[in-house]
Amino acid sequence: AQSVAQPEDQVNVAEGNPLTVKCTYSVSGNPYLFWYVQYPNRGLQFLLKYITGDNLVKGSYGFEAEFNKSQTSFHLKKPSALVSDSALYFCAVRVRKTGNNRKLIWGLGTSLAVNP
Amino acid sequence: GAGVSQSPSNKVTEKGKDVELRCDPISGHTALYWYRQSLGQGLEFLIYFQGNSAPDKSGLPSDRFSAERTGGSVSTLTIQRTQQEDSAVYLCASSADPGAEAFFGQGTRLTVV
Repeated sequence: AQSVAQPEDQVNVAEGNPLTVKCTYSVSGNPYLFWYVQYPNRGLQFLLKYITGDNLVKGSYGFEAEFNKSQTSFHLKKPSALVSDSALYFCAVRVRKTGNNRKLIWGLGTSLAVNP
Repeated sequence: GAGVSQSPSNKVTEKGKDVELRCDPISGHTALYWYRQSLGQGLEFLIYFQGNSAPDKSGLPSDRFSAERTGGSVSTLTIQRTQQEDSAVYLCASSADPGAEAFFGQGTRLTVV
């Protein structure tokens, strides 16, 4: 079965420290990979995506993520966390195939708390 | 429109009543998703429309839930005989193609009293 795992329900980091939010996936073939963020009482916002090419992708708000095919991972990173980064982060994957079986598959989310 | 629009933004209904939630996707987007999210929780997939293909209804929790997408654009999610456990935020998203990101509406907060 195709799935996305975010192994940590919550991540706590101090402001100014680097942060990592983990994501691993299990899908057939090469996937499209996405990260979204949801701030409190707000809708989901797209952060970044991996389609093809360079394994390191850069997105909004200074975030980046690295696609690792051998480890089937797409961890989200930021060199220096801000208190305003505190939010719920979701990883998603979409398979590369035609037909109806192309829906996004979502992780359960990771709550990031950045402490001042 | 500029983004995905959902209406109403809030809906309070009595247990047993039917409700309709509306989603206007971004023009030209072929894929449309409905999700449900309880407070601080993950996304619960409900239904997925892709072009003219038959929708993927595998996430609908019961036969009280149904959705349609008319003309490949606007979608309506209908919940019949609402129950208190149906209370949640219902999110709609659309995307242009498999490699494109999905854009989310602000959601409809449904409260069943």
